[in-house]
Amino acid sequence: GIQVEQSPPDLILQEGANSTLRCNFSDSVNNLQWFHQNPWGQLINLFYIPSGTKQNGRLSATTVATERYSLLYISSSQTTDSGVYFCAVVNSGNTPLVFGKGTRLSVIA
Amino acid sequence: ETGVTQTPRHLVMGMTNKKSLKCEQHLGHNAMYWYKQSAKKPLELMFVYSLEERVENNSVPSRFSPECPNSSHLFLHLHTLQPEDSALYLCASSQDTSGGGMYNEQFFGPGTRLTVL
Repeated sequence: GIQVEQSPPDLILQEGANSTLRCNFSDSVNNLQWFHQNPWGQLINLFYIPSGTKQNGRLSATTVATERYSLLYISSSQTTDSGVYFCAVVNSGNTPLVFGKGTRLSVIA
Repeated sequence: ETGVTQTPRHLVMGMTNKKSLKCEQHLGHNAMYWYKQSAKKPLELMFVYSLEERVENNSVPSRFSPECPNSSHLFLHLHTLQPEDSALYLCASSQDTSGGGMYNEQFFGPGTRLTVL
């Protein structure tokens, strides 16, 4: 099945810093989502982005499907951005959402 | 209520108990999912229902029994669980437009944190 690799696995930032999280996948995709899991376990939808670029406030994402990667940009990070960021993809065909192992982000004041 | 809700949020049960997890979606979707998230492991898909029919069962032990009475509600019935079943159980929903439903954006509930003693 499709493989999803996220990097870095852990990231510590000073409040106000910018960061880029990466998601590589091993095959073509029809769906790619970025989620933020908060400390209580809730998975919050950030982007549905099988291709192209989207922005939402301080967050933006770009997926280059032909090169099999997606990037999540966080600008001017805040302590509330802390948590685990997951990338999840759906391969071509009727296959389920496959999650990466996540990037654990800690933003310190 | 908006989005996807799950009850209870926390559950502690013994290995001989029977309990049920409930999920309700208020998004008008027609596909619902159960996922399991164990410590230090990626989310694992357990069950998928599309238009109230089960379309995916990822080799889940029979001590987990799903039920989807309508497109808005999903249950996970639990019996004779093992301590290794302790995990966060997440429900999700999406709108099935292609007969499979898994291409489309999924929305998750807050999860039930289950501890089996």
